[in-house]
Amino acid sequence: DIQMTQSPSSLSASVGDRVTITCRASQSISTYLNWYQQKPGKVPKILIYAASSLHSGVPSRFTGSGSGTDFTLTITSLQPEDFATYYCQQSYNTRAFGQGTKVEIK
Amino acid sequence: QVQLVQSGAEVKKPGASVKVSCKASGYSFTNYDTNWVRQATGQGLEWMGWMNPNSGNTGYAQRFQGRLSFTRNTSISTAYMELSSLRSEDTAVYYCARGEFGSGSYSDYWGQGTLVTVSS
Repeated sequence: DIQMTQSPSSLSASVGDRVTITCRASQSISTYLNWYQQKPGKVPKILIYAASSLHSGVPSRFTGSGSGTDFTLTITSLQPEDFATYYCQQSYNTRAFGQGTKVEIK
Repeated sequence: QVQLVQSGAEVKKPGASVKVSCKASGYSFTNYDTNWVRQATGQGLEWMGWMNPNSGNTGYAQRFQGRLSFTRNTSISTAYMELSSLRSEDTAVYYCARGEFGSGSYSDYWGQGTLVTVSS
């Protein structure tokens, strides 16, 4: 199975900061990469699919990039509602998730 | 509106099996995959597998091979996940989620989750 590795596992940031989360696949997955946001007690919410396509209704401060094995989720100006855990997911063959990145308030 | 409604919480003993249902409404059940994902308390998301409700084809994450089974009843737009030989490490919230067929899909609607507790 393709393994997905996110870094960092957690980070502390302030409102207005630019935040970058990376995701690496153990083999090439082209652009078959999704990003989800999950808040405590809630179900995951799709943010980005196909590595860089913004899902309907998702604010434009969320951007995704990458292809092959290396991917990035960037939040250009962190808002209070963005404090959450973010997961990457490959959609190349299985739907394995990365281990998650928790974004906390500094 | 699209909804996935799951069955209620379960408490099982080690070695037993659990079957969770996921009833779809607001869309054509057979036109989308049903994915199953679980999450232990305080832990990350773990993808378990998928089922094509139209064909009945399934795919399972390697670590669950042999003790995980997906079925469906298309007449009532319901998918089922059955996990056998339960152990304490299987205690988690189990989610069903809708996804488009094939590579490149993502899950846009999720069930509310079903807590399965495995305890002697």
